[in-house]
Amino acid sequence: AQSVTQPDIHITVSEGASLELRCNYSYGATPYLFWYVQSPGQGLQLLLKYFSGDTLVQGIKGFEAEFKRSQSSFNLRKPSVHWSDAAEYFCAVKFSGSARQLTFGSGTQLTVLP
Amino acid sequence: GAVVSQHPSRVICKSGTSVKIECRSLDFQATTMFWYRQFPKQSLMLMATSNEGSKATYEQGVEKDKFLINHASLTLSTLTVTSAHPEDSSFYICSARDPRGGTEAFFGQGTRLTVV
Repeated sequence: AQSVTQPDIHITVSEGASLELRCNYSYGATPYLFWYVQSPGQGLQLLLKYFSGDTLVQGIKGFEAEFKRSQSSFNLRKPSVHWSDAAEYFCAVKFSGSARQLTFGSGTQLTVLP
Repeated sequence: GAVVSQHPSRVICKSGTSVKIECRSLDFQATTMFWYRQFPKQSLMLMATSNEGSKATYEQGVEKDKFLINHASLTLSTLTVTSAHPEDSSFYICSARDPRGGTEAFFGQGTRLTVV
């Protein structure tokens, strides 16, 4: 079955520390992959996306993600976290041929300590 | 980038009344829009796919008579929560795909519905 998993429900890091948020998917082919950020009470903002090509993708706000086919993963990274990065992060997947727009992971809540 | 506007951002209504939420694509025509529901501390769950000029496609378990969707034009889809109950209180988000930009989806700001 097609699925998206974000193993970490909540992550806490100190400001200035590096960050990695995990995302795994289950699918027989390569889907389209997205990372979104949601601030409290707000909609979703696209951070980055992967369709094909270079497996290391650069996004907005200093984020990047790496697609690893062998691990069926698309982990989000940032070398130095800022307090304003505290938010909920969602990995989303578009499975080819699916009638649905996007399948979302359960989300990871990021807390940034001063 | 493409912009999707959702209105209102927050609404409080009494039980038994109906509430309409609008989703507009501001700089592109969207033949398809999507409505999601998000419970506190949870992910987004697709409720229905709104198709311009035809009936919406509802996900399993979503009551089509309670959540009426109308996609009357290429830039506007509306979700009406009919006879609202407190359990309908939730965060509702719409999205649309710009047909010029591939499979990227743009999201509205969301609507916080509270039924009292």
